[in-house]
Amino acid sequence: EVQLVESGGDLVKPGGSLRLSCVASGFTFSNAWMSWVRQAPGKGLEWVGRIKSNTDGGTTDYAAPVKGRFTISRDDSKNTLFLQMNSLKTEDTAVYYCTRCPWGYFDYWGQGTLVTVSS
Amino acid sequence: SYELTQPPSVSVSPGQTAGITCSGDKLGDKYACWYQQKPGQSPILVIYQNSKRPSGIPERFSGSYSGNTATLTISGTQAMDEADYYCQAWDSSTAVFGGGTKLTVL
Repeated sequence: EVQLVESGGDLVKPGGSLRLSCVASGFTFSNAWMSWVRQAPGKGLEWVGRIKSNTDGGTTDYAAPVKGRFTISRDDSKNTLFLQMNSLKTEDTAVYYCTRCPWGYFDYWGQGTLVTVSS
Repeated sequence: SYELTQPPSVSVSPGQTAGITCSGDKLGDKYACWYQQKPGQSPILVIYQNSKRPSGIPERFSGSYSGNTATLTISGTQAMDEADYYCQAWDSSTAVFGGGTKLTVL
């Protein structure tokens, strides 16, 4: 059974940093392209970024609102995906989902972790 | 930036057919996917690559295309189908979601 379990969400002040983790199981994580998707309270889904598998180059792509502030990385030895978030803004407040994204669609989602950016 | 447009809400009577549209520039040249999200839950994939259903998704869910509009059709809609639905496609190396459609079954 595929499982994605996020952690690391917290209350942080504007300008602060936070690192989210996502532990994967039930599939070969090292072969998977992975993404982060977020959802602000009462709002729709917003793609944050993705990382390809290391065999496909391990490169990353980001949405314009987070480019230069957020970094996605992975540790295939620990089946773990990371999202490093710096220079956080109030508009980054959201539930952050870890997703697997083979062939351009998001087929498995975690339960999400809440990040609140507020003074 | 690329945009996908969905109606904010759609209503349907139980047992009837619901259609949710998603339009975007040159969407016909891309693959569209659809996600269902119920309150307090994570989204689930219901249609991928325009018209394919993942394992476990009921046959009443189907996807189609016409020009630059993708449509999610739910045949014989049930009360359990009441949810928010999002379309999604890729524009270059960026994933884009539609604004979402609230499906009400009444």
